[in-house]
Amino acid sequence: GAGVSQTPSNKVTEKGKYVELRCDPISGHTALYWYRQSLGQGPEFLIYFQGTGAADDSGLPNDRFFAVRPEGSVSTLKIQRTERGDSAVYLCASSPHPRQGSGNTIYFGEGSWLTVV
Amino acid sequence: AQKVTQAQTEISVVEKEDVTLDCVYETRDTTYYLFWYKQPPSGELVFLIRRNSFDEQNEISGRYSWNFQKSTSSFNFTITASQVVDSAVYFCALSEAQNQGGKLIFGQGTELSVKP
Repeated sequence: GAGVSQTPSNKVTEKGKYVELRCDPISGHTALYWYRQSLGQGPEFLIYFQGTGAADDSGLPNDRFFAVRPEGSVSTLKIQRTERGDSAVYLCASSPHPRQGSGNTIYFGEGSWLTVV
Repeated sequence: AQKVTQAQTEISVVEKEDVTLDCVYETRDTTYYLFWYKQPPSGELVFLIRRNSFDEQNEISGRYSWNFQKSTSSFNFTITASQVVDSAVYFCALSEAQNQGGKLIFGQGTELSVKP
């Protein structure tokens, strides 16, 4: 597709369960980002991939959160032992060939709305 | 510390009014980038503009204009002759050059409601 694609668009899960959220970036974009947006707040950075490797995971809140991008394209955000506080919209974004200091524009998907009950 | 503040939580205007959304930022970096994104009810963040810290020229794109002032650390966004389709949440964001990959720091957003 032309834009960043995220699945599922909505996910309701029970507290304590495991969840996977998938992101398919814009074709050719080497950088991929995950953000989390709580109701009434701006998006908060979670993790950034350059190619297959996580170049910056400083935003992951704790070790229940993990993300992979094994082939440098599609990425999966994994949340273990979900808690009610994990309920939010998880936004994926991609950017072409970012370099440090380049200020590349980041393009976002529509997000995956996660509700933990 | 890096921070973006959008003091206006909600703004309501009547169609055809002009409206300005305020954004104030904090950074210690001398090279940085500022962005505005629009988030309609569908949820997708739509890129509107990017400015670098060395370019203080104001920019106009149709009904949209941006006023960047380093002296006051502000990057305000004005919509002229607002329309109902402008209703959305608008986010200002900062990217510091020292951060590899250019991750964005967002403000809390301003919800704009344009009534017919």
